[in-house]
Amino acid sequence: RKEVEQDPGPFNVPEGATVAFNCTYSNSASQSFFWYRQDCRKEPKLLMSVYSSGNEDGRFTAQLNRASQYISLLIRDSKLSDSATYLCVVNPPGTYKYIFGTGTRLKVLA
Amino acid sequence: EPEVTQTPSHQVTQMGQEVILRCVPISNHLYFYWYRQILGQKVEFLVSFYNNEISEKSEIFDDQFSVERPDGSNFTLKIRSTKLEDSAMYFCASTAPRGVYEQYFGPGTRLTVT
Repeated sequence: RKEVEQDPGPFNVPEGATVAFNCTYSNSASQSFFWYRQDCRKEPKLLMSVYSSGNEDGRFTAQLNRASQYISLLIRDSKLSDSATYLCVVNPPGTYKYIFGTGTRLKVLA
Repeated sequence: EPEVTQTPSHQVTQMGQEVILRCVPISNHLYFYWYRQILGQKVEFLVSFYNNEISEKSEIFDDQFSVERPDGSNFTLKIRSTKLEDSAMYFCASTAPRGVYEQYFGPGTRLTVT
């Protein structure tokens, strides 16, 4: 099993739609999880950290499911500007490294 | 808002040459990182650095790579003898010494080895 796994997509959704992505991780002891957004040929930008209790920021909601070892990102009321690749990042316990998933590509269509 | 900066934005070099990529992390951050991203592939961890020494490195970070914090602001990645397969985007990142260790990335240096 890969350390961090994401469906590469693309997810093509109309403006205003709700879309959700999942990301699975292999190390059950992992404690730190993040969602980043990456536009083409740009740096990853932090979207949100994922806490045990979940995390919401405007139209974005992140959840952690420890039992099934996945995190999710929900985007409500999609905007054209949400089109990007969404990266799942995990910091394995006892390490100083961050493992990135391959990313899920989202295209919001007018 | 404080940000991580990197120079140069694009570096072209010939195979076998040495390159130094430079980064200025956010000023109160204490943990620093280098990542690379080959075109069309995922972001890969290279090395983490804290208190003037390497905390962790990946299998990619072999003897041709080195990192240094030569002064209080710069953080550099040196590739001693570049290969064609070193062509990639190189991102520097830093985290604050508290909280959930959220990483903030610089805009990257695109390295092209010919």
